[in-house]
This record gives sequence, structure tokens and C-alpha cells, in this order.
Amino acid sequence: NAGVTQTPKFRVLKTGQSMTLLCAQDMNHEYMYWYRQDPGMGLRLIHYSVGEGTTAKGEVPDGYNVSRLKKQNFLLGLESAAPSQTSVYFCASSYIGGLETQYFGPGTRLLVL
Amino acid sequence: AQSVTQLGSHVSVSEGALVLLRCNYSSSVPPYLFWYVQYPNQGLQLLLKYTSAATLVKGINGFEAEFKKSETSFHLTKPSAHMSDAAEYFCAAPDPGGSYIPTFGRGTSLIVHP
Repeated sequence: NAGVTQTPKFRVLKTGQSMTLLCAQDMNHEYMYWYRQDPGMGLRLIHYSVGEGTTAKGEVPDGYNVSRLKKQNFLLGLESAAPSQTSVYFCASSYIGGLETQYFGPGTRLLVL
Repeated sequence: AQSVTQLGSHVSVSEGALVLLRCNYSSSVPPYLFWYVQYPNQGLQLLLKYTSAATLVKGINGFEAEFKKSETSFHLTKPSAHMSDAAEYFCAAPDPGGSYIPTFGRGTSLIVHP
């Protein structure tokens, strides 16, 4: 099993550009999450999904959109990138929310100039 | 809502010394608690988890944590630090309201000196 994979691993964007981060899991998990990690801020939840076709806002959703058209994939979109979105983005998945172990991807490092 | 507090953003120990990383949570329902470790340039991975079976939980790499309901704490310990333990450690607990979405502490960076 590959576990949780993220594409791309690293990206540089100019302010105003758009991009989509792809997360895929092969563990048949219901829950999927997108986090951002910034120095001194820990992990902050951007959006999450409790099943195929569902999405919900987390702690810091502004400037991001998500879609979960297939159970195994969770996409994070930035419509108009801003320097404040420079961060490391992690995707995670789990069976039943926070009652079960979360499995994390390796991260995507995004730099917005 | 659940709140998870990790005291100390950085903890520095000498190799061979005791490691103690503190975690306190706000809600006692349900008592599921997790410690994750993040090595440099990697994603988080499970270190150990508490699921009501026993108050002392053993994890990987010699780490263990003790659940103390009266103190709403779940502190992480290791008797003897190794250089390879240098990493970021996160405590997490589910939010009991609704979907049990995990709530993370801000993390503690463990620094191990030779």
C-alpha cells in the first residue's frame, strides 16, 4: 500500500496564480483532511471531508476550496494565491475522525512570490 | 469543543537524559488521545494512542504516555533520549462535538544535545 500520497512535492507560484494540490489514499478511509503547517503555529485544519461528496470548513478555510468527488482523492485548490499561503500543506486520512489513527502524506511545500 | 495544550514549544535534553513532553486536554469525553512524531521534512506518524484500555500506553522507539483523568493530562516520556529522537511532537484529541475531528496541540520541538 502506498498510504497517503501528495502531488506535487514542491511548487512555486506567483501572486494571483491558481493551482490544485492532489491527495490520494489507498486505505479506503472515510475521512480526509487538509492542514497547513507554519513555524510556531502547529497544524491548522483548512478543510476536511467525512465521506465521498462531502466537504466542510476547518479552522482556516479562507482562500481555499476543496472537492472529494472520489473516496480516495481529496483536492485542495487555491484560486488566487497570496504570499500568506506560503506554507507546507499536509493531507491526512482516517477511518472515523479523531477516534482512529490519522495517516499523513509527506507534504507539499508551496512558495508564493 | 476540544482544546489541547502542549507546554513548551521547545524542550532541550542531553543524550541519555529523561524526556518529558507535556500535554493537557480540555474535554474528557471521549478519552481518545494520540501522540504523533514528525521528523524533519516528513509527515506526521503515530507514536502511540490511548483508547481507554490501560492508563499507561507504550509506543514506538521506547516512548510511553500516561493518561491521568484527574489532571486531564497525557504526558509523553522516554527514560533515555537518543539523538534520533530529535523531532517535532504533537498531541491530539478528537473534538467530541459532532464529527470527532482531531484537535492538535501546537507541537513541541525536542532538541537532543550530545
